[in-house]
Amino acid sequence: DQQVKQNSPSLSVQEGRISILNCDYTNSMFDYFLWYKKYPAEGPTFLISISSIKDKNEDGRFTVFLNKSAKHLSLHIVPSQPGDSAVYFCAARDSGGSNYKLTFGKGTLLTVNP
Amino acid sequence: DTEVTQTPKHLVMGMTNKKSLKCEQHMGHRAMYWYKQKAKKPPELMFVYSYEKLSINESVPSRFSPECPNSSLLNLHLHALQPEDSALYLCASSQLDVDTQYFGPGTRLTVL
Repeated sequence: DQQVKQNSPSLSVQEGRISILNCDYTNSMFDYFLWYKKYPAEGPTFLISISSIKDKNEDGRFTVFLNKSAKHLSLHIVPSQPGDSAVYFCAARDSGGSNYKLTFGKGTLLTVNP
Repeated sequence: DTEVTQTPKHLVMGMTNKKSLKCEQHMGHRAMYWYKQKAKKPPELMFVYSYEKLSINESVPSRFSPECPNSSLLNLHLHALQPEDSALYLCASSQLDVDTQYFGPGTRLTVL
């Protein structure tokens, strides 16, 4: 059973526009969420995170929104740049489980076209 | 500095070989992780070390043997692997009780 779902395998956006990547989860015990970016043949790079006590966290061009009632989070990238083209993984931590275990979604491939 | 380094970058081995993957971090993190990632899949957790002790083994076959010689180093010893073990092996580290894990670039392993 997939507890973290990224239902869009891919997304294509024009440079300068907003990219919105979505993530849904089913486990109500998740209390901390992270977004990672991954280029081919490289390790994931941490982008931004949010605790369940917040509904928004912003860092430069990246903003993560959390809607706990809908069990939904989204990553907004504004403005999108060609260098943002990568696979984006949503990950979550279960407050009832191990502090160390993250559950990852399957990822969304973002392509930003010049 | 949030750098985790891994060597080698690429590794090709036969099913009878013994090899090791190495991971190093100098961020003072006391939790270190091994993940396996197949193409177009998310990373799968294999092992977690905290304070140099194995705290999580996600039912990984014994042909994978982790070792944490000190707080900065993490090894993964490989023996008698199968072709289906071919994957990108990622190392990560984090501060204890902090959930942000920082990943290395990975070792691309091919088992022939």
